[in-house]
Amino acid sequence: GAVVSQHPSRVICKSGTSVKIECRSLDFQATTMFWYRQFPKQSLMLMATSNEGSKATYEQGVEKDKFLINHASLTLSTLTVTSAHPEDSSFYICSADSGHATNYGYTFGSGTRLTVV
Amino acid sequence: RKEVEQDPGPFNVPEGATVAFNCTYSNSASQSFFWYRQDCRKEPKLLMSVYSSGNEDGRFTAQLNRASQYISLLIRDSKLSDSATYLCVVTLRGYNKLIFGAGTRLAVHP
Repeated sequence: GAVVSQHPSRVICKSGTSVKIECRSLDFQATTMFWYRQFPKQSLMLMATSNEGSKATYEQGVEKDKFLINHASLTLSTLTVTSAHPEDSSFYICSADSGHATNYGYTFGSGTRLTVV
Repeated sequence: RKEVEQDPGPFNVPEGATVAFNCTYSNSASQSFFWYRQDCRKEPKLLMSVYSSGNEDGRFTAQLNRASQYISLLIRDSKLSDSATYLCVVTLRGYNKLIFGAGTRLAVHP
């Protein structure tokens, strides 16, 4: 139980275009989902906390107008990188609060590797 | 100062070796502590929680020293499959989120 599906796993896009990443909880309802970004050889950095039915909470330094988060249902949160630039190339991972004891309630998606060319 | 600091490594050890990783955290309000494992280009996976009394899971032993704000992970009898990056993770009291260290890379060779 407690599976989070993240798509796409890899995406290459042109500079200036937008990319949408989906994060779905398959067998549980997630009122809260988290979006992280990880640059090579660096730690996962929390970008924002996504709350179902309300606005996301962004961490300091993360542009909310560039990284649009939508959490319209209890099983789906999306992150849209708008007007992507090469410096946005990174590994984006979502996680959801599943309340699943074996993972302290945090289940991770498999990540999306974004390359902006 | 980073909230969670780790030696980035890499630690290159032969099979069968014992290896120890250390981690320090800066916020005294840190409440819960974990070690995660992350394989290259994959999502992190929980390895074990860390308690003040120390806890062991097979070849893995984790320890927490709240006074020194220090966490450790000991891996005994290293296997090739232990090669990965080990992430030290904390949560803050009152905040529903994980704070990750940058990770320590372990490479176990034959």
